[in-house]
Amino acid sequence: EVQLVQSGAEVKKPGESLKISCQGSGYHFAAYWVGWVRQMPGKGLEWMGVIYPSDSDTRYSPSFQGQVTISADKSITTAYLQWSSLEASDTAMYYCARRSGFGSPFDIWGQGTMVTVSS
Amino acid sequence: DIQLTQSPSFLSASIGDRVTITCRASQGFSSYLAWYQQKPGKAPRLLIYAASTLQSGVPSRFSGSGSETEFTLTISSLQSEDFATYYCQQLNTYPLTFGGGTKVEIK
Repeated sequence: EVQLVQSGAEVKKPGESLKISCQGSGYHFAAYWVGWVRQMPGKGLEWMGVIYPSDSDTRYSPSFQGQVTISADKSITTAYLQWSSLEASDTAMYYCARRSGFGSPFDIWGQGTMVTVSS
Repeated sequence: DIQLTQSPSFLSASIGDRVTITCRASQGFSSYLAWYQQKPGKAPRLLIYAASTLQSGVPSRFSGSGSETEFTLTISSLQSEDFATYYCQQLNTYPLTFGGGTKVEIK
């Protein structure tokens, strides 16, 4: 079965760092882009960025460039989203999803990781 | 960035109704558009890609059309399991923007 499994919910304080993960299985992980999508409470979907695990080519939305870092380790079929200093406004559900290439949709999604940042 | 504007943002409909959601783009981009369905507490689910291609396993009552700057998602006969929020996404140009969403509720 093709799936993306994300790490569990996190509760952090402002200023703390965080790295969440997304592990792919059932397909050739390195050959598919993995993207990250933010959904703030009660709001819509926001595309954050995407990485190609084969060569770590990474593209960011201008809204998130410099705010987060996307990485991947193809040896363990896992992609990551990390923050160096969290803010309360980072409180949201974060989804990872895969796509095959240019023009293709995100066809498989992770279950989501809820990140809560509160003092 | 390509901006996507969905309309309506909220829709109240009855079982069996035909429902149409529109997604308008700030600039044309051929047919690299997808539609997703999201239910509360769940991850989005791909319904349609390349503007009109039905994803495997998606009921045929869902259809998509359009190109360049105007796209539509149609549900031919609304079922109880279709009450959800629907999003369009352009897949042509980074950043891969989403529309604001259309919430479909029971009348």
